[in-house]
Amino acid sequence: GDSVTQMEGPVTLSEEAFLTINCTYTATGYPSLFWYVQYPGEGLQLLLKATKADDKGSNKGFEATYRKETTSFHLEKGSVQVSDSAVYFCALPIRFSGGYNKLIFGAGTRLAVHP
Amino acid sequence: EAGVTQFPSHSVIEKGQTVTLRCDPISGHDNLYWYRRVMGKEIKFLLHFVKESKQDESGMPNNRFLAERTGGTYSTLKVQPAELEDSGVYFCASSPRGTGGNTEAFFGQGTRLTVV
Repeated sequence: GDSVTQMEGPVTLSEEAFLTINCTYTATGYPSLFWYVQYPGEGLQLLLKATKADDKGSNKGFEATYRKETTSFHLEKGSVQVSDSAVYFCALPIRFSGGYNKLIFGAGTRLAVHP
Repeated sequence: EAGVTQFPSHSVIEKGQTVTLRCDPISGHDNLYWYRRVMGKEIKFLLHFVKESKQDESGMPNNRFLAERTGGTYSTLKVQPAELEDSGVYFCASSPRGTGGNTEAFFGQGTRLTVV
């Protein structure tokens, strides 16, 4: 079945360090791919998405490229800030007839950035 | 525009008690979803409403869980009786009707349920 595998955390970095959080997926066809983020005390927010192979999603300095040859959607940021401390979830939407989808999530990766 | 609202934000109950979680979706969103994250694991789908109708409840763990969406507006998720393994964070999300796999679902802040 469809699944998402995400690197386990926690990831602890110093400010301005480079970040990579790995995500790979198993799915039928070529679905969209999402990264969600949960900041402390807040709900899940969509961080970025890619809708087809070779697309690059980007937002707030984060980027992820949809690579079908490696079935991956790794999240990267060149220089993290303390405010990036959060839990990051890779997600795969499974589309159903009737125009809705449900999300399959990875386990989440907690990122802690210290000054 | 108000986002998805969930309450309570935290609930601590004893095993065997009943708890009801509430979700108010974004106004006008026909799709409403419940998800759960248990013990730091992945977030898992529980069920989906379109307006007041349950479209998919394949993720509901057992018959101790009952979800309703009266009038197609807010939704409740009742756990009765609660067991220790029900502890976790329960998320609600909503999205507009007729949208496909590329569309964002908007999430609430979650309800952290602890069963002791």
